[in-house]
Amino acid sequence: GAGVSQSPSNKVTEKGKDVELRCDPISGHTALYWYRQRLGQGLEFLIYFQGNSAPDKSGLPSDRFSAERTGESVSTLTIQRTQQEDSAVYLCASSLGLGTLGDTQYFGPGTRLTVL
Amino acid sequence: DQQVKQNSPSLSVQEGRISILNCDYTNSMFDYFLWYKKYPAEGPTFLISISSIKDKNEDGRFTVFLNKSAKHLSLHIVPSQPGDSAVYFCAASFLNTGKLIFGQGTTLQVKP
Repeated sequence: GAGVSQSPSNKVTEKGKDVELRCDPISGHTALYWYRQRLGQGLEFLIYFQGNSAPDKSGLPSDRFSAERTGESVSTLTIQRTQQEDSAVYLCASSLGLGTLGDTQYFGPGTRLTVL
Repeated sequence: DQQVKQNSPSLSVQEGRISILNCDYTNSMFDYFLWYKKYPAEGPTFLISISSIKDKNEDGRFTVFLNKSAKHLSLHIVPSQPGDSAVYFCAASFLNTGKLIFGQGTTLQVKP
C-alpha cells in the first residue's frame, strides 16, 4: 500500500513569491497534519485536520500560511510572500484519526523549501 | 518555550552495546510520549510509545522508560546495530488533540 506522498520533493523560490506544497495522505486516514523542520531543529506543528471538524491552526506562524484539505484526501499548504526564514523541510503526516494511543502518525518524505 | 527537550545532539556507541537516548519535558499534563526515528531524506517513522500511566514499554530491542516525577523519558536500544544509526526524536501529546510536540532530536551513530 502507498504511504504518504508529498510534492514537490524540492522547491527553490525567490523571496516574496507564493508557494504551494501538496500532501496525499494514506487512503482511509481521516486525520492529516503539517509540520516543518528548520535546520538543526525538531519538528514544529503547523496545522491539523480531523474529518469534518474545524482544523487546529494553532501552529501556523503567521497569516502568510494557510492550508486546505479536500474531504479526507489531498491537502495543500500555501505560503504567501515567502521569506528566507520560511526555508525548512515541510512534512505531512496522516493517521486513522482514532484519538487514541494507537493512532500512529505516518509521515511523508517532506518538501524541502529554499527561499533565496 | 521548549516543552520537550533532547539535550544531547549526538551519541556514538559501539555495535552490540546499549544506546540510551534521553528526553525531558516540562508539561506534566502530557498523556503520552513517542519516539520516532528519521533517516536522511525520509520522513520520521514511528518506533515506540508509552502512556503517561505506565513507566515502561518494551518492543523487541527497544524499551522506553518514563519517570513522571522527573519529567524524563529515555529510549534504550539493546543490542545496538549499525542500521540503528539515525536521528531519534521524542515527542509528546495530549490525548484527542492530535498534534505532536517534538524535541530537537539526537543523532545516534552505531559503529561496527
